[in-house]
Amino acid sequence: DSGVTQTPKHLITATGQRVTLRCSPRSGDLSVYWYQQSLDQGLQFLIQYYNGEERAKGNILERFSAQQFPDLHSELNLSSLELGDSALYFCASSRTVDSNQPQHFGDGTRLSIL
Amino acid sequence: DAKTTQPPSMDCAEGRAANLPCNHSTISGNEYVYWYRQIHSQGPQYIIHGLKNNETNEMASLIITEDRKSSTLILPHATLRDTAVYYCIAVNYGGATNKLIFGTGTLLAVQP
Repeated sequence: DSGVTQTPKHLITATGQRVTLRCSPRSGDLSVYWYQQSLDQGLQFLIQYYNGEERAKGNILERFSAQQFPDLHSELNLSSLELGDSALYFCASSRTVDSNQPQHFGDGTRLSIL
Repeated sequence: DAKTTQPPSMDCAEGRAANLPCNHSTISGNEYVYWYRQIHSQGPQYIIHGLKNNETNEMASLIITEDRKSSTLILPHATLRDTAVYYCIAVNYGGATNKLIFGTGTLLAVQP
């Protein structure tokens, strides 16, 4: 158990819809990261937050947005969903943004677009 | 971040040591070498990391060459549950982020 909690575990929805994925970091961790894993793209970094503020952006689509709340949990919002958005979405957390701090991952949310 | 190169797959007999190599010839002085693994579709699991010195924890050992251009992850007594994709990643505190850039990793198959 990494201590990172992601909900829901599975999500099935239709094209054009909007969903929200939730992540609770490990106790004491200030930084939250979102990654996407699809069959053809592998694991890709999407976005990072640190203590409520956006820290870095990766290949995140404009249809996707995220935020980190004062209690440090984070949400990833995906809108106008397309078939290609079907993937595993992982959240990770770390104490700080120091490169000497490992990230710990949740079990992911499996998103299926029908 | 430095690019890392790993063999796409390796086999190991159960109970034997698994030695997974990683090349990172362009690594800079302030980049850590991290190892993660992913079992089936579970979340990646942190294994170990190091900068210059060899490191050991309850899961594995990390051997980094003196010139830091390559490293080896050692699982001392591989079990079937160690079958996974292993990722070697160089992490640099540059641009105010320690994001992970995953490559394709090495699929380690532990054979009974």
